[in-house]
Amino acid sequence: GIQVEQSPPDLILQEGANSTLRCNFSDSVNNLQWFHQNPWGQLINLFYIPSGTKQNGRLSATTVATERYSLLYISSSQTTDSGVYFCAVGTGGFKTIFGAGTRLFVKA
Amino acid sequence: DAGVIQSPRHEVTEMGQEVTLRCKPISGHDYLFWYRQTMMRGLELLIYFNNNVPIDDSGMPEDRFSAKMPNASFSTLKIQPSEPRDSAVYFCASSLSSAGVGGYTFGSGTRLTVV
Repeated sequence: GIQVEQSPPDLILQEGANSTLRCNFSDSVNNLQWFHQNPWGQLINLFYIPSGTKQNGRLSATTVATERYSLLYISSSQTTDSGVYFCAVGTGGFKTIFGAGTRLFVKA
Repeated sequence: DAGVIQSPRHEVTEMGQEVTLRCKPISGHDYLFWYRQTMMRGLELLIYFNNNVPIDDSGMPEDRFSAKMPNASFSTLKIQPSEPRDSAVYFCASSLSSAGVGGYTFGSGTRLTVV
């Protein structure tokens, strides 16, 4: 099956810093999403982005489907950005596979 | 909309007991998913439904697990009999099938502990 690799596995930032999280996948996808799991365990959908670029406030994402990767940019990080960021991909229909995540801690 | 609603939020049960987890998807969403999250295995897709019909249950770990969706507003995941290794957070999510709005909305999860 499709493999999803996220990097880095862990990231510590000072408040106000910018960061880039990466998601590599091993096969063509028709479904790619980014999620944030906050420290209370809630999973929040950030982007549905099988291709192209989207922005939402301080967050933006780019997926280059032909090269099989997606990037999530966080600008001017805040302590509330802490948590785990997951990339999830699907190759057909809605069977979506999650990566292992990037654990982010933003220091005040 | 109240979002995806799961119950109970926490469940502690003894090994061998039957456990039933419940989910109410967002009204109008025609896809429903059950995921399990553990430290060792991360987020795993167990089963998903489209228009109340199970489409893929290949992620269901054993025959002890079963899921139903009797109508568009309700789904259950049942474990019988439960075992300590079933301890995990179980998430339900729903989605629209329309292109461009394919993102999932997750419920708050049910933390299951089997002792």
